[in-house]
Amino acid sequence: NAGVTQTPKFRVLKTGQSMTLLCAQDMNHEYMYWYRQDPGMGLRLIHYSVGEGTTAKGEVPDGYNVSRLKKQNFLLGLESAAPSQTSVYFCASSYPTGISNQPQHFGDGTRLSIL
Amino acid sequence: GENVEQHPSTLSVQEGDSAVIKCTYSDSASNYFPWYKQELGKGPQLIIDIRSNVGEKKDQRIAVTLNKTAKHFSLHITETQPEDSAVYFCAARMTTDSWGKLQFGAGTQVVVTP
Repeated sequence: NAGVTQTPKFRVLKTGQSMTLLCAQDMNHEYMYWYRQDPGMGLRLIHYSVGEGTTAKGEVPDGYNVSRLKKQNFLLGLESAAPSQTSVYFCASSYPTGISNQPQHFGDGTRLSIL
Repeated sequence: GENVEQHPSTLSVQEGDSAVIKCTYSDSASNYFPWYKQELGKGPQLIIDIRSNVGEKKDQRIAVTLNKTAKHFSLHITETQPEDSAVYFCAARMTTDSWGKLQFGAGTQVVVTP
């Protein structure tokens, strides 16, 4: 069982280039999340999705777009990369929380450098 | 919104000693508090969690305590081993949040020296 898989694992971009990070989960989770991790700042939520075809903004959404065309996939796009977007990006997924708190399961991250 | 503060930012312990990490949260509506362990080059992995109707939870060498009145919760690792070296994150989720969003602390780098 693969869990949450992120591709690519590493990428170097030049300022102004675009790219898409892919997250795939095989646990039939409804909820999916994109975070960025920067030194001393923990994990900050970029965007999230509570079901196929739905997305919402998190704490730091500027400069990113997302799409959830299929339940198992959640894509994070950078239209015009900036050096401030150099970070480690993590995807997570979970069952709906409801009254029973469900934990989030994380992928191993994409390390992105913008030159 | 919720704000979570985590201390210390780094913690060095001798193998066999105990380690304690503390987190405080701001929103009294928070009701779920997970702890994650992140090893180098990996994603965070859930190690233990606690709900607001419970004061303490144990799982082998790790335990979490929750003080709702003071709005803080702590992770305790006993008999530390070198494989406990990692970054640990606390998080909180608000009751009013239907979408499962977590607010994370800044993390604690734990180093266990033999």
